[in-house]
Amino acid sequence: NAGVTQTPKFQVLKTGQSMTLQCAQDMNHNSMYWYRQDPGMGLRLIYYSASEGTTDKGEVPNGYNVSRLNKREFSLRLESAAPSQTSVYFCASILESGVPTEAFFGQGTRLTVV
Amino acid sequence: QQPVQSPQAVILREGEDAVINCSSSKALYSVHWYRQKHGEAPVFLMILLKGGEQKGHDKISASFNEKKQQSSLYLTASQLSYSGTYFCGTVSFSGNTPLVFGKGTRLSVIA
Repeated sequence: NAGVTQTPKFQVLKTGQSMTLQCAQDMNHNSMYWYRQDPGMGLRLIYYSASEGTTDKGEVPNGYNVSRLNKREFSLRLESAAPSQTSVYFCASILESGVPTEAFFGQGTRLTVV
Repeated sequence: QQPVQSPQAVILREGEDAVINCSSSKALYSVHWYRQKHGEAPVFLMILLKGGEQKGHDKISASFNEKKQQSSLYLTASQLSYSGTYFCGTVSFSGNTPLVFGKGTRLSVIA
């Protein structure tokens, strides 16, 4: 089992460029999340998908869009990257949103916007 | 809304104990604890449900006081391997409420 797989692992973008971060899980989980991690700020929730076909904003959604392509895949898109979006992005999945089970994280995508 | 963790950072010598606190302004359904090593993804430690239960993981245990909307993580007889950043995550009520995390507590254990 691969668990949660994120691609790419590293990316450098120029301001204004767009890109999509991919996330896939093979654990048949219903809920998937995107977080960003910045020094001193912890893990902040960008968007989440409680189940296939639904997406909701988290704490810091501005500048991002998401797509829950199917049960396995949840992508995060930056339409026009800004230096403030330089961060480490983590995708996570949980069996069921609201059910107290372990969250599994991908290895992260380190994004630099110059 | 992020839960609040304290302290922000702590330095311990091997064998010493530490407590990390997590509090929320919202009524909590469950509290998660994770540890992250530098450059890695967060790793699950334990979950606590409302009901004041305590759980343990090796020499790491935690408590959850739902009335005070607080949880504490206890690290006893710390080892070098305990170093990392500890995050508490909270779910405010059952249903489709997301898991949100605090800013983390950086723990350094030195010999």
